[in-house]
Amino acid sequence: EPEVTQTPSHQVTQMGQEVILRCVPISNHLYFYWYRQILGQKVEFLVSFYNNEISEKSEIFDDQFSVERPDGSNFTLKIRSTKLEDSAMYFCASSVGRVSNQPQHFGDGTRLSIL
Amino acid sequence: DAKTTQPNSMESNEEEPVHLPCNHSTISGTDYIHWYRQLPSQGPEYVIHGLTSNVNNRMASLAIAEDRKSSTLILHRATLRDAAVYYCILRDDHDPSGNTGKLIFGQGTTLQVKP
Repeated sequence: EPEVTQTPSHQVTQMGQEVILRCVPISNHLYFYWYRQILGQKVEFLVSFYNNEISEKSEIFDDQFSVERPDGSNFTLKIRSTKLEDSAMYFCASSVGRVSNQPQHFGDGTRLSIL
Repeated sequence: DAKTTQPNSMESNEEEPVHLPCNHSTISGTDYIHWYRQLPSQGPEYVIHGLTSNVNNRMASLAIAEDRKSSTLILHRATLRDAAVYYCILRDDHDPSGNTGKLIFGQGTTLQVKP
């Protein structure tokens, strides 16, 4: 069964540094998402992306965050200047469509640790 | 998205059925009921969804009350691998604020399965 893959599985970065988290969504999917989960807390929506542009972003997704689909397969999340509070699991998800009867498929996440 | 209410935790014995409840008393007529689960150290995983009728798939069954104000996820024979956090999520294509397909996760129900 096709799956969403994320790399790296764990990223350790100094505060203030840039970090790029990478995702390869399922190949025929058109809608892409990033979520994050701070340790012990809920999974939170960050951003949705369709047709090479952001469809929706949450309040968390401020100017330090950006997303890109640089080629036909990768979907990346960049954090320009990381803060301690960016430490979390980051999950990428994709779906065929956005309508309510179509599930999202998640990767196993990247654990981002900011020192 | 309409609010859902789930118990914080439940316990089950291995190989016994598990009924995970979800209350959604403010559900609208166009809300789909989705269930996802998150195994330890993994991303959320789609389990099942439905609108009005009961649904079965290879993972679970979804029983939806006639008034749609509650639903129950049924795992017919729990295994140790089913220990996870289970999320009941409502999704509506007709949300006037726009719908880009994002999922809004609550705290879910933590299911423990005892051998």
